Amino acid sequence: SQQGEEDPQALSIQEGENATMNCSYKTSINNLQWYRQNSGRGLVHLILIRSNEREKHSGRLRVTLDTSKKSSSLLITASRAADTASYFCATGNNDMRFGAGTRLTVKP
Amino acid sequence: DAGITQSPRYKITETGRQVTLMCHQTWSHSYMFWYRQDLGHGLRLIYYSAAADITDKGEVPDGYVVSRSKTENFPLTLESATRSQTSVYFCASSDFAGMGSNNQPQHFGDGTRLSIL
Repeated sequence: SQQGEEDPQALSIQEGENATMNCSYKTSINNLQWYRQNSGRGLVHLILIRSNEREKHSGRLRVTLDTSKKSSSLLITASRAADTASYFCATGNNDMRFGAGTRLTVKP
Repeated sequence: DAGITQSPRYKITETGRQVTLMCHQTWSHSYMFWYRQDLGHGLRLIYYSAAADITDKGEVPDGYVVSRSKTENFPLTLESATRSQTSVYFCASSDFAGMGSNNQPQHFGDGTRLSIL
């Protein structure tokens, strides 16, 4: 079973708009990670947020974590066509569990 | 160049055949992982390894065998391939940071697309 589950499954926006993806998980965590996957490629790590952090920024990315709701969100601001990819959250110890991902399409 | 490489990138084989997928990393990372990615399931962990000669089962280990005689290599073998094992397989590695591997990002290869006829 998946630990993290992303929502929505698919998201289509225009270039310049913001994109928000959500992740829910089931058990307590030490941290949560977000990854991106371009078509035909492996996953690329974007950001890691620890359980004692509520918000973290990296460039145009903003991640929030609400451990009381067992949820996280990834916000991409001022999206670009190059942001088109699938985005995954992952949690776990040695056995990381990934959700099915959100497929983001950014139209130029 | 430093990185993680998987071979082959594409493989077609027949039911019942043995097939081995290779994974090699140049970072000397302690942890290595094998995942399969199927539509509707995301990535599912097959096996992982915390160090040479140490391996553990993940979420979907049945039908797969792994070994790790050297830190840099982590081959995955399907001893008798079945059609349900048609998938894209990803290898990943991460450094050791105490308290398991989840405190460090995982670095992924570009995958092996395996088709079993």
